[in-house]
Formats: sequence, structure tokens, C-alpha cells
Amino acid sequence: QVTLKESGPGMLQPSKTLSLTCSFSGFSLSTSGMVVSWIRQPSGKSLEWLAAIDWDGDKYYNPSLKSRLTVSKDTSNTQVFLKITSVDIADTATYYCARSPGSSGWYFDFWGPGTMVTVSS
Amino acid sequence: DIQMTQSPSFLSASVGERVTLSCRASQNINKYLDWYQQKLGEAPKLLIYNTNNLHTGIPSRFSGSGSGTDYTLTISSLQPEDVATYFCLQRNSWLYTFGAGTKLELK
Repeated sequence: QVTLKESGPGMLQPSKTLSLTCSFSGFSLSTSGMVVSWIRQPSGKSLEWLAAIDWDGDKYYNPSLKSRLTVSKDTSNTQVFLKITSVDIADTATYYCARSPGSSGWYFDFWGPGTMVTVSS
Repeated sequence: DIQMTQSPSFLSASVGERVTLSCRASQNINKYLDWYQQKLGEAPKLLIYNTNNLHTGIPSRFSGSGSGTDYTLTISSLQPEDVATYFCLQRNSWLYTFGAGTKLELK
């Protein structure tokens, strides 16, 4: 079955670089059409799509955050990474990774449980 | 950016009641509209994709409709387990945007 799980530092200081990992099983990112996205949600607020990487290695970014984001994947196509540079308090949120099957659209059919990140000095 | 406006923000309804949630886009999104359910402390879960396609395993009491800028999620007979916040998502433009959510409670 399809599962995803996010991991991250839990807490980091302002101005540092946030590194997140999405580990998944039950599918391969090398399968044509497959996409993995990162989405975040500050506590009590709505969701914000951040970035995505597809089966072909093409990358997509939220334009408002693009200069600070880097999405990548590993060569085994079982992990996706997200780096956010120069974090500040506004980056405090739960970060989710989610899969899009691509066959009929890039909707998010499976999500990880999320990893909470707090930016604090 | 395409703005997504959900209404109402809060809804209180009784078990068995028919419930309708709305989502309005700031421009035509060509039916690239999904609905997600998020229970407290959990990740969002896909209910409906591309306006009216029920995701695998989702009960048939959930349905979606709409076109252009206006979309609706309907729960035909509200169940206690449907208490959650519901978000719409547009995927027509490359900056995917979510609505602010509708929090659904039991009366």
C-alpha cells in the first residue's frame, strides 16, 4: 500500500536552512506521471502548496517562495527532499508531502502524517 | 494568483441532514477542483477530484459539482464521522491554491 512519511529537525533557528525528507513506499517516483509535492499548514490555518517534483525530474515551485526552495529526489526514487533557506517565524508549520498519481490529474491522493517545524530563537 | 473563497466558514448541522459547502474561484478553473477533508490532528484526505470524481473508498454520500468559478461539495446525509474541516483546492494554474476551509460541526 502507498505510504509517505515526512521527517525534519522539529525546531530550528531563524536564518537557518530547513531540510525535510519525504520517504515513501508502495510506488516509485520513476513511474510515468508520478509526482510528489510539499505542502505546509501553519497551526489553525489553511494549506499552502510549496513545490513538486515529477517522475522525469522536473521541478515546480510556488513563485512567492521560489528563491528559497529547492526540491530534489534520490536516485532510488523512494525519497524526496525539500530545502528552505533563510527561515523565519512565518515558516513555522506542519509540513506534508503528498503523492499525485498523474494519470488523471495532479490531485493529492495520498499524504504523509506531516512533520511539525518550529522556527524560534 | 487564483483566490479560492469558501463559504460558510463554519457550519453546524444535524446527523442525517443534507449539507452543502461552497467554493468560489476568482477566475475560471475549468473544473480542476478537488475537495479534502481534514480531521483534527490528521493530514488532509482526498474526497473528490476534478470537481465530481469520488476518490477510492470515499462513501457515496459525498458528491461534488460545479463549473467555471463555482463549485459545491454535498454530503447527502451527515454522519458523526464527517465532523472535520473541508478544503477546496484549485489546480488550474501552476500556483495551486487552497480555500480557507469550512469547519463542519454537529448540532
